[in-house]
Amino acid sequence: EAGVAQSPRYKIIEKRQSVAFWCNPISGHATLYWYQQILGQGPKLLIQFQNNGVVDDSQLPKDRFSAERLKGVDSTLKIQPAKLEDSAVYLCASSLARTGHETQYFGPGTRLLVL
Amino acid sequence: QKEVEQDPGPLSVPEGAIVSLNCTYSNSAFQYFMWYRQYSRKGPELLMYTYSSGNKEDGRFTAQVDKSSKYISLFIRDSQPSDSATYLCAMRRDSNYQLIWGAGTKLIIKP
Repeated sequence: EAGVAQSPRYKIIEKRQSVAFWCNPISGHATLYWYQQILGQGPKLLIQFQNNGVVDDSQLPKDRFSAERLKGVDSTLKIQPAKLEDSAVYLCASSLARTGHETQYFGPGTRLLVL
Repeated sequence: QKEVEQDPGPLSVPEGAIVSLNCTYSNSAFQYFMWYRQYSRKGPELLMYTYSSGNKEDGRFTAQVDKSSKYISLFIRDSQPSDSATYLCAMRRDSNYQLIWGAGTKLIIKP
């Protein structure tokens, strides 16, 4: 079974530039999550999708971050404009359904450095 | 105060030792407790999952939950160099599926 795919793996940009990350979840997984993991910290949930609808985006800085999941499969996360404090690893995860204790499967992450 | 506290380490032990990793939490509503392992430059992967209090064993790994003390532990027996990774605890309430994460403990097993 193929895992969660993310691209790019690494990205270096200057502040005020824009950047986009892509995620392809495990086939058949209805729920998709985007997390931000700053060095030395645990993952912080940015947004959660159930199929193509948003379930929770309470911690997404909506003035600069946006995400979409068209057709309930792939998802993109965009930052525009980027700030220095956005330097982090952006993790995508998926799970079979949002029924409770299903396992979240993580991709390898995109490591973003904002200069 | 953070909802979940975890010592970042690093924790360095010789191969074969028993390792104890811990998290404390403040919210008594947490019911689901998880341990994830994260290798360098990889995403976290679920190791152990426990509901409410008690122990759960899987091979060399044992997870313990003490809800009265708001304290959870992960024990690794016969530790191997391949166990070297960051171990993250995560937990959530019945009513909210969002995971609350610890900062992770970096574990180093010396051959």
